[in-house]
Amino acid sequence: NAGVTQTPKFQVLKTGQSMTLQCAQDMNHEYMSWYRQDPGMGLRLIHYSVGAGITDQGEVPNGYNVSRSTTEDFPLRLLSAAPSQTSVYFCASSYQGRGSYNEQFFGPGTRLTVL
Amino acid sequence: AQTVTQSQPEMSVQEAETVTLSCTYDTSESDYYLFWYKQPPSRQMILVIRQEAYKQQNATENRFSVNFQKAAKSFSLKISDSQLGDAAMYFCACTTSGTYKYIFGTGTRLKVLA
Repeated sequence: NAGVTQTPKFQVLKTGQSMTLQCAQDMNHEYMSWYRQDPGMGLRLIHYSVGAGITDQGEVPNGYNVSRSTTEDFPLRLLSAAPSQTSVYFCASSYQGRGSYNEQFFGPGTRLTVL
Repeated sequence: AQTVTQSQPEMSVQEAETVTLSCTYDTSESDYYLFWYKQPPSRQMILVIRQEAYKQQNATENRFSVNFQKAAKSFSLKISDSQLGDAAMYFCACTTSGTYKYIFGTGTRLKVLA
């Protein structure tokens, strides 16, 4: 049971480049989400998904795309990277249902630098 | 809309002493959950403790306990017998059954002094 995995762990991009951050979970969780963490800002929700084929925007969705074709995978796409997207990105998943604690499980994070 | 506020950017505590980290939240939902997460320098987010809003009893996990004041919308974390390994960023978070969104506070950096 690997939990939530993220790749890559580190990435440096040039302004205007595109890339995809990968996230996968093996716990059969319906809910998956992407956050960015910036100093003094805590974790801010970018996009989330409540199941395969269903995604929605969080607090800071601009510049990012997501899709959820399977329960296991939830990739985050940066279409045209900007220096403002320099951040640490976390993927998380959880089971959603009454009677559960709805605890989120986090991946190890990706540190992204945009030059 | 949900909000979570942590008003203490940084706290310090002597080893073996007790410290309390503050968190206030706001939600219009009646069915919600509250969490404290720890983030050590390794960057990994670790669940410390959780509280269901419908439970009146305060949650406890070993040296960690919460003071859940539902009417005041307050959810503070008490760490007893502080250890050097407790040094980390601590985040308060809230989620509701209706929105499926988790909202985090801005975090409190805890320093433990030997």
